[in-house]
Amino acid sequence: AQSVTQLDSHVSVSEGTPVLLRCNYSSSYSPSLFWYVQHPNKGLQLLLKYTSAATLVKGINGFEAEFKKSETSFHLTKPSAHMSDAAEYFCVVSVSGGYNKLIFGAGTRLAVHP
Amino acid sequence: KAGVTQTPRYLIKTRGQQVTLSCSPISGHRSVSWYQQTPGQGLQFLFEYFSETQRNKGNFPGRFSGRQFSNSRSEMNVSTLELGDSALYLCASSFQADEKLFFGSGTQLSVL
Repeated sequence: AQSVTQLDSHVSVSEGTPVLLRCNYSSSYSPSLFWYVQHPNKGLQLLLKYTSAATLVKGINGFEAEFKKSETSFHLTKPSAHMSDAAEYFCVVSVSGGYNKLIFGAGTRLAVHP
Repeated sequence: KAGVTQTPRYLIKTRGQQVTLSCSPISGHRSVSWYQQTPGQGLQFLFEYFSETQRNKGNFPGRFSGRQFSNSRSEMNVSTLELGDSALYLCASSFQADEKLFFGSGTQLSVL
């Protein structure tokens, strides 16, 4: 069975400093992995998607994630945080053949301080 | 191109009642999925529809049901509401299954 574990429930950074949100996955085959972001009172927005084409995946708004099979990790990074990045971030794995059945991590709330 | 539209935005119901939520996918999208989001359980998959057929279902009781119409619009119904059904219900659409999902803003259901 597939699962994802987000290692931090809350992360706090200062504006302009790097962001690191950690995610480990469990899958018996090559997974499809995603990062989604949810701003308050808003739906979910896809940041990026990994599907084995390249281990370093670039997403929107300057975010990127690196797939590391040996570490079963898919951490999300951004070189410089912006106030507008404050939101909840979800690491997600897709169930193969599951017709859009996504397994969500518990989420990491990112706070950005001036 | 309009995004995924969910109505209503907010709902307040009492225990024992039933409720119907509506979702209009992005034009051209034929797959519609539903998710429940609660503080305790997080985001959980409810079901997915494609061309009016339910292809996958999550681990929810039979009180949760859905359907999809020929224009790909979807409805979700919850009967005999319980307090624990209070949640944000999110709808997502995609052109095909296992592709990028576009989520609506959700319907916030409160059961009193």
